[in-house]
Amino acid sequence: NAGVTQTPKFQVLKTGQSMTLQCAQDMNHEYMSWYRQDPGMGLRLIHYSVGAGITDQGEVPNGYNVSRSTTEDFPLRLLSAAPSQTSVYFCASKNNRGDYEQYFGPGTRLTVT
Amino acid sequence: EDKVVQSPLSLVVHEGDTVTLNCSYEVTNFRSLLWYKQEKKAPTFLFMLTSSGIEKKSGRLSSILDKKELFSILNITATQTGDSAVYLCAVEEYGNKLVFGAGTILRVKS
Repeated sequence: NAGVTQTPKFQVLKTGQSMTLQCAQDMNHEYMSWYRQDPGMGLRLIHYSVGAGITDQGEVPNGYNVSRSTTEDFPLRLLSAAPSQTSVYFCASKNNRGDYEQYFGPGTRLTVT
Repeated sequence: EDKVVQSPLSLVVHEGDTVTLNCSYEVTNFRSLLWYKQEKKAPTFLFMLTSSGIEKKSGRLSSILDKKELFSILNITATQTGDSAVYLCAVEEYGNKLVFGAGTILRVKS
């Protein structure tokens, strides 16, 4: 199993540009989520999904869209990038049944100038 | 508002010391508390705690949860330089959402 994969690893955008951060998992996990990590603030939940076709907002959803057309993929879209979205983004997944931990991807470091 | 508070924010110890990291929480629908270790990359899982008073151990690391007082501690004995990292505490609510603390930065000097 590759686990949770994310692409790209690094990205620089100009203000106003759009892009999609990719996330995929091969563990057949129902639950997937996106977090951003800023210095001194831990990780904050952006959006999450409990299964294909179902998504919901987390703590900081503004400026981001998600979709979940398959169990494996959970892309995060930035519609019009802003410098405040400069951060490290982590995708995570877990099995919905029972007490299991969340598995994190390697992260995407995004800089918006 | 749900929150998770970790203390101290950072500490520096010498190899061989024992450290205790603290995590207190206020969340609406508590399901479990998790500890992660982060070394300049993705967080890696250490422990999941769901019941009060039951210590979880893994080598030199151990953790315990107090659901009445709403806190957890992570102990690391005989610290090594490889223990240097950010330690994250997170509370999982029903619905799988994680609420993270800001983390404790641990630096172990040789």
